[in-house]
Amino acid sequence: EAGVVQSPRYKIIEKKQPVAFWCNPISGHNTLYWYRQNLGQGPELLIRYENEEAVDDSQLPKDRFSAERLKGVDSTLKIQPAELGDSAVYLCASSSPASGTYEQYFGPGTRLTVT
Amino acid sequence: GDSVTQMEGPVTLSEEAFLTINCTYTATGYPSLFWYVQYPGEGLQLLLKATKADDKGSNKGFEATYRKETTSFHLEKGSVQVSDSAVYFCALSQNFGNEKLTFGTGTRLTIIP
Repeated sequence: EAGVVQSPRYKIIEKKQPVAFWCNPISGHNTLYWYRQNLGQGPELLIRYENEEAVDDSQLPKDRFSAERLKGVDSTLKIQPAELGDSAVYLCASSSPASGTYEQYFGPGTRLTVT
Repeated sequence: GDSVTQMEGPVTLSEEAFLTINCTYTATGYPSLFWYVQYPGEGLQLLLKATKADDKGSNKGFEATYRKETTSFHLEKGSVQVSDSAVYFCALSQNFGNEKLTFGTGTRLTIIP
């Protein structure tokens, strides 16, 4: 079974530029999460989807961040414009109660560097 | 809100030493508790979990017991190996894990031969 796929793995951009991250969850997983992990810290949730619906976006900085999961499968997270403080690793995870557990499976992450 | 406090690192041990990484939490209700591990160059992986008080999670020789009276979930291993070198994260989630994970800051463990 393929794991959670994320791309790109690394991205370097200048501040004020836009950037987008893509995630493809494990097949059949209806819940998808985006987390941000700052250096030396644990991941923090940005947004959680149940199918196409964003059910928890309380920590998403909506002035510059947006996300979508149009068909309830893959998802895109966008930052526009990026700031220096956005440098972090962006993690995508997915889960499904149908698997008998709510275990969240994480992708390898996208490391963003804003210069 | 919910929070997790984790033992500060980094931790360096010799091979075959006993390992304890402390984790305490603050949460409403009865959260599920987790230990995740991040090996060098790899993504986060679930190491073990416990969903109710007094449950013991175990995997790969690691154990942790859900102690509601002390709000703790300390990670232990009797004899560590070089291959255990990684960053370990304690985390909690409400609703049996079907909500966001709240993570601690992580503890970097290095095992020397």
